Amino acid sequence: SSELTQDPAVSVALGQTVRITCQGDSLRRYYASWYQQKPGQAPVLVFYGKSNRPSGIPDRFSGSSSGITASLTITGARAEDEADYYCNSRDSSGNYVVFGGGTKLTVL
Amino acid sequence: QVQLVESGGGVVQPGGSLRLSCAASGFTLSTSGMHWVRQAPGKGLEWVAYIRYDGRNRYYADSVKGRFTISSDNSKNTLFLQMNSLRPEDTAAYYCAKDLEDYYGSAQDWGQGTLVTVSS
Repeated sequence: SSELTQDPAVSVALGQTVRITCQGDSLRRYYASWYQQKPGQAPVLVFYGKSNRPSGIPDRFSGSSSGITASLTITGARAEDEADYYCNSRDSSGNYVVFGGGTKLTVL
Repeated sequence: QVQLVESGGGVVQPGGSLRLSCAASGFTLSTSGMHWVRQAPGKGLEWVAYIRYDGRNRYYADSVKGRFTISSDNSKNTLFLQMNSLRPEDTAAYYCAKDLEDYYGSAQDWGQGTLVTVSS
């Protein structure tokens, strides 16, 4: 299996843009998915694949990938975006799934 | 509308067993891969297991391999996770999640979770 690495915490000023990153060797071959999780709630998928945003997810959420790094960008962060964000993807074998350790986003 | 409802969590002693259920509605399990994902208190998400829509492929995290078994009963449209030889480190909220077709590992639909506590 392989690992996905995320920064434990990131902060952003209200209305500004923030990028949350996820690194791992398997990302050279597979796209990451991104989840938002608020306290006491199940995760919510906010972006997946090359350019897919589930219905109901605001377009201020976008994703990108380059080499071993996948990124989730929130353009114009709002107070309600304060949450934990997790990336996941397949491992290098393609059979197993791995999650990053999560990034706690604080909106200042 | 997809709905997933987990049940079966509770308190169990180390070495004990528990079977979690995930009742699915709004789709049929025979057409979708399914995952179990867990989250220890105050910790991050950890993928646990996956079963392909036809049951032919099942994958497990190293941390549970040989102890946990994922299965499904299509007649009841219910997913299961049989957990044996439980350890304190298995204490977590367990979520079932529906795999997103063509994007293996992505899950758009999640249950609300069921809490498993392994303690003497």
